[in-house]
Amino acid sequence: GAVVSQHPSRVICKSGTSVKIECRSLDFQATTMFWYRQFPKKSLMLMATSNEGSKATYEQGVEKDKFLINHASLTLSTLTVTSAHPEDSSFYICSARPVQGSGSTEAFFGQGTRLTVV
Amino acid sequence: EDQVTQSPEALRLQEGESSSLNCSYTVSGLRGLFWYRQDPGKGPEFLFTLYSAGEEKEKERLKATLTKKESFLHITAPKPEDSATYLCAVQSWAGGTSYGKLTFGQGTILTVHP
Repeated sequence: GAVVSQHPSRVICKSGTSVKIECRSLDFQATTMFWYRQFPKKSLMLMATSNEGSKATYEQGVEKDKFLINHASLTLSTLTVTSAHPEDSSFYICSARPVQGSGSTEAFFGQGTRLTVV
Repeated sequence: EDQVTQSPEALRLQEGESSSLNCSYTVSGLRGLFWYRQDPGKGPEFLFTLYSAGEEKEKERLKATLTKKESFLHITAPKPEDSATYLCAVQSWAGGTSYGKLTFGQGTILTVHP
């Protein structure tokens, strides 16, 4: 299957600082990437849809000024958690899909990033 | 709005004891139903995609089936290494910025005891 690389896998930061998480599709191009948040023993909650070359689409209740998304190329999307607070501590996961029309419907996931804000 | 409900929330099996996990869904035009396996602290690992009612797919001890309202993940003679959370997700035919969006169920935590 296709490979999606997410970095870093773990990060600890101080309250008030910003953290950037990278999501790369290594062997395919992804017009669209997705960012999820997962709480302990809970399912994945979609935060936003990242579209290459345009603004991200955020789900209801997700603060776009808090969670900045940039999809600079067909293989890279970044999520920046700005002015992080302890309640932002969570497991963040990205996924990427091959470009529309490629015939592939599967979404491939990164390994996730465990963010701890102290 | 697409909805996915998985049952049971948790399932404990003895090694070799076959069982099934359920995924009930409502979606405005199903493009695909996906099963993923997730180990603690890891991202979901793709298992199957099902597209239409009556379709079945198999991989080792796992078999996924699909009807118009639900999907089952059958586990035959499970082993301890099958212990994980199994996630079901649906994708509708929405295009534009919603292309590829998955709606997940809450997952079933499977524990297989030796």
